[in-house]
Amino acid sequence: EAGVTQFPSHSVIEKGQTVTLRCDPISGHDNLYWYRRVMGKEIKFLLHFVKESKQDESGMPNNRFLAERTGGTYSTLKVQPAELEDSGVYFCASSQDPGGSYNEQFFGPGTRLTVL
Amino acid sequence: AQSVSQHNHHVILSEAASLELGCNYSYGGTVNLFWYVQYPGQHLQLLLKYFSGDPLVKGIKGFEAEFIKSKFSFYLRKPSVQWSDTAEYFCAVNRGSSASKIIFGSGTRLSIRP
Repeated sequence: EAGVTQFPSHSVIEKGQTVTLRCDPISGHDNLYWYRRVMGKEIKFLLHFVKESKQDESGMPNNRFLAERTGGTYSTLKVQPAELEDSGVYFCASSQDPGGSYNEQFFGPGTRLTVL
Repeated sequence: AQSVSQHNHHVILSEAASLELGCNYSYGGTVNLFWYVQYPGQHLQLLLKYFSGDPLVKGIKGFEAEFIKSKFSFYLRKPSVQWSDTAEYFCAVNRGSSASKIIFGSGTRLSIRP
């Protein structure tokens, strides 16, 4: 079974440009999460989709970040315009619908974003 | 604010030494606790979890952990480390449903001297 995949693996852009990150969750996983790790700091939650709906977007830093999950399959995270402080590694994770039992969040390899 | 604090930023051990990494969390109520590991060049993966019941839990690769509820602490242990355990280890917590967001600590980098 394929794991969570993310594209691109690396992205280098200039301040003010737009970047779109993509995450493909494990097939059949209703829950999809975005997290971010800024250099040397903790991994921080950004938002959580259940199917195509945003369940929790309390971690989104500001309105320059837009996440979508059309059709409840893959998700995109757009940063527009990018700022220097947006540099970091963006992780995606997915899990099945809990249904009362524990379901592990499986993480993708991350996208390393560098804003110059 | 909700937080997870890991006791060490960087730990250096020799092979066959025993390992203990600790963390504290600042939530009240019911929590789910995790230790994740990221080996160089690999995905973040779950080592073990505590959900309820026995505070001693066993994970993969010979790791185990102890939940000390009275101290809001979660300790990761391994009796004898190997060079292949070189990685970054993250303590993490979520509350309520296992589908809720995970709050991570800042990570402990473990270096093993061969």
